[in-house]
Amino acid sequence: AQSVTQLDSQVPVFEEAPVELRCNYSSSVSVYLFWYVQYPNQGLQLLLKYLSGSTLVESINGFEAEFNKSQTSFHLRKPSVHISDTAEYFCAVENTGFQKLVFGTGTRLLVSP
Amino acid sequence: DSGVTQTPKHLITATGQRVTLRCSPRSGDLSVYWYQQSLDQGLQFLIQYYNGEERAKGNILERFSAQQFPDLHSELNLSSLELGDSALYFCASAGGSSSYNEQFFGPGTRLTVL
Repeated sequence: AQSVTQLDSQVPVFEEAPVELRCNYSSSVSVYLFWYVQYPNQGLQLLLKYLSGSTLVESINGFEAEFNKSQTSFHLRKPSVHISDTAEYFCAVENTGFQKLVFGTGTRLLVSP
Repeated sequence: DSGVTQTPKHLITATGQRVTLRCSPRSGDLSVYWYQQSLDQGLQFLIQYYNGEERAKGNILERFSAQQFPDLHSELNLSSLELGDSALYFCASAGGSSSYNEQFFGPGTRLTVL
């Protein structure tokens, strides 16, 4: 069975500073990997995904994540955060073909001025 | 707006009661997924339906059941409610049956059991 570990429950950071949110997964089969964002009182929105191909994937709002198969990681990074990035971020894994998402426990990103 | 709608937004009920949560998928999506988000368990997959048929089952309690109707909307029924069932219940929908279809999440129904 797959599992996802997000070690940091909360990451405080100042505006315009870089940030990395860590995600490690375990699975015995090939996987798809995702980062979802949840703003207060809203549903989940897909931020970016890795299905195959290039191991570096990017979102339209400046986030990127790199799939590292040897380290079974899919860390999320942004070189310069904004106040509006304050939200909860969930890493998720899906066994290819099974369409069932397994989520990590989430990391709350708190951006302050 | 993901195009997935869920009703009601909030539900407050008492222990032992039964409630029904409703989800309307995006136009054209055949799959519906239900997830539970609670402080104790985090975000957990409950069940998936594809074109009216149950496709996959996760950590869904026997007191919970779901179905998908011919018009593709889905309902999640929760019975004999306990305090621990208080959570945010999300529905997601996706397109077809190929190996990857992006799941689009609704805004959720917040259930409070008193």
